[in-house]
Amino acid sequence: AQTVTQSQPEMSVQEAETVTLSCTYDTSESNYYLFWYKQPPSRQMILVIRQEAYKQQNATENRFSVNFQKAAKSFSLKISDSQLGDTAMYFCAFMTMGNQGNLIFGKGTKLSVKP
Amino acid sequence: SQTIHQWPATLVQPVGSPLSLECTVEGTSNPNLYWYRQAAGRGLQLLFYSVGIGQISSEVPQNLSASRPQDRQFILSSKKLLLSDSGFYLCAYRWGVGNTEAFFGQGTRLTVV
Repeated sequence: AQTVTQSQPEMSVQEAETVTLSCTYDTSESNYYLFWYKQPPSRQMILVIRQEAYKQQNATENRFSVNFQKAAKSFSLKISDSQLGDTAMYFCAFMTMGNQGNLIFGKGTKLSVKP
Repeated sequence: SQTIHQWPATLVQPVGSPLSLECTVEGTSNPNLYWYRQAAGRGLQLLFYSVGIGQISSEVPQNLSASRPQDRQFILSSKKLLLSDSGFYLCAYRWGVGNTEAFFGQGTRLTVV
């Protein structure tokens, strides 16, 4: 069974600074996807960034980037130039490839961006 | 465009009462559908998923059941609620073999009293 671990229940960062959220996972699969989802106070889940395991290049989306270390089964999220609107719960998630792949989530990291 | 609707937004139910939460998807056909529960400090726990009408897979044994009577309708039910069923329930869909992004409903806050 796949598991996703987020070891930082809460983090805080000053506005405009950079913060890195950690995620590790465990799987015997070789092909899979990894995601970071954001859940702001409105509770609406929003996809932040995704990474295909077969791609060596780290995914980036504007201020968001990942450090994907396949051998170490590590998938961290870096938020640059943090903004107040980045305050949210962040969930790391794993999905096997194929039509029946299910999203498995970590417990989340609560990020607070301080002015 | 594709949208997902989930209702009600909040629900307060007494212990022992039945439950029915509904989720519908518009703008797509044959989506994969999911029910998650989010409890404080426990992240999102996958409860049920469905890859087609009448096809339900359960991930966690519990007091809940799910049904998919129509292609784009997914229902979460219970015959008798327990206090431990309280939580935030999220419906999600994923469409297409090549699409990896899951889209979530607004969620239902269930409080069992």
